[in-house]
Amino acid sequence: DQQVKQNSPSLSVQEGRISILNCDYTNSMFDYFLWYKKYPAEGPTFLISISSIKDKNEDGRFTVFLNKSAKHLSLHIVPSQPGDSAVYFCAASAGTGGGNKLTFGTGTQLKVEL
Amino acid sequence: GAGVSQSPSNKVTEKGKDVELRCDPISGHTALYWYRQSLGQGLEFLIYFQGNSAPDKSGLPSDRFSAERTGGSVSTLTIQRTQQEDSAVYLCASSRAGTLYNEQFFGPGTRLTVL
Repeated sequence: DQQVKQNSPSLSVQEGRISILNCDYTNSMFDYFLWYKKYPAEGPTFLISISSIKDKNEDGRFTVFLNKSAKHLSLHIVPSQPGDSAVYFCAASAGTGGGNKLTFGTGTQLKVEL
Repeated sequence: GAGVSQSPSNKVTEKGKDVELRCDPISGHTALYWYRQSLGQGLEFLIYFQGNSAPDKSGLPSDRFSAERTGGSVSTLTIQRTQQEDSAVYLCASSRAGTLYNEQFFGPGTRLTVL
């Protein structure tokens, strides 16, 4: 049972354009959402997060949008740069009582082309 | 400063053998997590340690899997009688505390291949 879904395994975008990565979740107990970025042979690195009390969080070129009613979040990267080419994982956690174990999606491979 | 380190980076073993995977968290981080990523899957939570509290083992897939954390620092994940479905990348992460909003820092992972 995949509680966090990233339905697009890959995305190709031209340099300078906007990249939009999507994520859907099914567990209504999730209240904190994160995006991680992963390069080959490296562990995932934290990119940006959003609490369920917000619908938008922005950090430089990266913005995460949360639509709780649709159980959907998206990551916008603008402008996209070749160095953004990586696998992006959406992750979610439920509540503060059980530590911070994360449930991850299967990832989207982003390729930013020159 | 040093990040999370894991060893070995790659491990090839035969079905039925036991393996031990090691994780060195960032110094001072009290929370430590193990995840694994099987081919075509997302990262799957395995086990979580927070300070001296009893670990959360709810993600361990079978009793062949166990983990310990000695002295609140280094952790080892042991898989007994390995099976081919255990083949995956095993990732360790640590954070300052096991509460919400504490960023988890991941190691590079150990790629386990069971022949």
